[in-house]
Amino acid sequence: DAKTTQPTSMDCAEGRAANLPCNHSTISGNEYVYWYRQIHSQGPQYIIHGLKNNETNEMASLIITEDRKSSTLILPHATLRDTAVYYCIVRAYILTGGGNKLTFGTGTQLKVEL
Amino acid sequence: EPEVTQTPSHQVTQMGQEVILRCVPISNHLYFYWYRQILGQKVEFLVSFYNNEISEKSEIFDDQFSVERPDGSNFTLKIRSTKLEDSAMYFCASTAQGAEQFFGPGTRLTVL
Repeated sequence: DAKTTQPTSMDCAEGRAANLPCNHSTISGNEYVYWYRQIHSQGPQYIIHGLKNNETNEMASLIITEDRKSSTLILPHATLRDTAVYYCIVRAYILTGGGNKLTFGTGTQLKVEL
Repeated sequence: EPEVTQTPSHQVTQMGQEVILRCVPISNHLYFYWYRQILGQKVEFLVSFYNNEISEKSEIFDDQFSVERPDGSNFTLKIRSTKLEDSAMYFCASTAQGAEQFFGPGTRLTVL
């Protein structure tokens, strides 16, 4: 799995957009970009994933650069409850036969403040 | 909304004792995982399980660890002889087709 680089921490004002960057310059053609978050020692929570197109769901948007070497997770209107560690994970998606483990890094600690 | 559940939420045991951590994955999921997180450290993969057998395991998952799906709903992690360094949060996860993994709330294991 490709290695990712994320800032250690970020702050964001409540109600503003939180933009969390991730570098994955060694990503392979069959590898997806996944984002998970972990709120204060709870179980990690899936946010979104993508291959090369930008993706949006009810939680966030994922912007992947054309060369796929970096991406940005966008929380459009951050709230205090979005304070968490955000993990960018790059891995291939294997359709059958198990596997598909997640390799977590240290992530970005996002603090949303009033 | 369906969720992964884990019991107990906190387990305290003496070094050398056996512990069994229990998980109930989401009912239609086929792939199951255990991860652990030592306090202040990264979430680490332990093992994945599919079609009633281990599909992948990490170096952490040595002979002291085993997993089982004893019935159609439970997925267990057994540590045969606990060590102090086994103290951690243990997370169970499941997925239908391997993309989005759903994690449980975790079991905090404390080995004294």
